[in-house]
Amino acid sequence: ELKVEQNPLFLSMQEGKNYTIYCNYSTTSDRLYWYRQDPGKSLESLFVLLSNGAVKQEGRLMASLDTKARLSTLHITAAVHDLSATYFCAVEKETSGSRLTFGEGTQLTVNP
Amino acid sequence: GAGVSQSPSNKVTEKGKDVELRCDPISGHTALYWYRQSLGQGLEFLIYFQGNSAPDKSGLPSDRFSAERTGGSVSTLTIQRTQQEDSAVYLCASTFRRGRTEAFFGQGTRLTVV
Repeated sequence: ELKVEQNPLFLSMQEGKNYTIYCNYSTTSDRLYWYRQDPGKSLESLFVLLSNGAVKQEGRLMASLDTKARLSTLHITAAVHDLSATYFCAVEKETSGSRLTFGEGTQLTVNP
Repeated sequence: GAGVSQSPSNKVTEKGKDVELRCDPISGHTALYWYRQSLGQGLEFLIYFQGNSAPDKSGLPSDRFSAERTGGSVSTLTIQRTQQEDSAVYLCASTFRRGRTEAFFGQGTRLTVV
């Protein structure tokens, strides 16, 4: 059974600081996704990572994938308050009908 | 439509009643998923439709849950004889082709069973 674990689950940081969220998964996968969820809102797609060594960046967020280590990271650079949200990683296996298996989510709070 | 649309956005129902949740996927998307998001359980897969293939129902938690997709478009998730543990946000997602693009999620239906 595919398991996805994120850490930390809660992260409180100051504006301007850097931090990394980690996502480990238990079996080989086809794709890895990062989603953002604001309170009371739905999930917004941030990144799709397809292959080993993939790195994608958007603004202050950068995601990477190491399929050998079964690890993805979401790095936050010089955090700003607008980044406060819950971040989910999700892993997809086509042999499981391309369903997404989600991590528990990391609740990020960026304080002024 | 421009995005995945779900209705109602909120639903309060009495224990034991049946409820129907609706999902209207992005036009042209052939794959449709239902997920449930609840405290303590995170995001759980419920059911998956792909084109005209038989749906993957392996995530449905009990036989009180069922779903259908009519005409390859709109989907309805039905929960019979609702229980308090069914309280959650039910999210629908669609993709253009299986496994080829990220899933786009609707706003969800917040179900509260009292």
